[in-house]
Amino acid sequence: EIVLTQSPGTLSLSPGERATLSCRASQSVSSSYLAWYQQKPGQAPRLLIYGASSRATGIPDRFSGSGSGTDFTLTISRLEPEDFAVYYCQQYGSSPPAWTFGQGTKVEIK
Amino acid sequence: QVQLVQSGAEVKKPGSSVKVSCKASGGTFSSYTISWVRQAPGQGLEWMGRIIPILGIANYAQKFQGRVTITADKSTSTAYMELSSLRSEDTAVYYCARVYYDSSGTLYFDYWGQGTLVTVSS
Repeated sequence: EIVLTQSPGTLSLSPGERATLSCRASQSVSSSYLAWYQQKPGQAPRLLIYGASSRATGIPDRFSGSGSGTDFTLTISRLEPEDFAVYYCQQYGSSPPAWTFGQGTKVEIK
Repeated sequence: QVQLVQSGAEVKKPGSSVKVSCKASGGTFSSYTISWVRQAPGQGLEWMGRIIPILGIANYAQKFQGRVTITADKSTSTAYMELSSLRSEDTAVYYCARVYYDSSGTLYFDYWGQGTLVTVSS
């Protein structure tokens, strides 16, 4: 089973600052199967990025994804107040079919 | 616009079972894949399994094999997740999500239900 490790666990930043979140896989992951989600308290997760770098519908362009192989990054270019939340990366493995999530990175207001 | 509406909160005794429903509207249910994900209080997301309604095929995370059953009723566009032999550690919010495969081969969860809190307590 592929394990996703996200770092840092918590990121303390101010509005307007740049956030860089890391997701490292224990073995190579297809970029097609790497996604990022945002979750706010009391809400279901929301898709941000799919295919490692494609923004989901309605996601502002301050969110971007990059990476390949075992190292992936979610970048928020300038934090808005509504961006303070927990972010999860996710990957799919086909043999057997299964998804795994990273443990999450909390972006909090400094 | 796809919408997934889940059944309400449940309180269960240890050792019992719970069955959570996820009713879909919009799109073509038979062409979906539905996954179930849970989140214990203050914890991260954990994938439990998925069903492909058109094929009636379900796959489960190894952790839940033998304890979870995911089914789908195409006539009502509803997916179900039943978890048995409940213990306190199963207290969590359970989400259903649609798995979308796009034409370029990418794969992701694009729509989520609102979540169902299952509390296991004696």
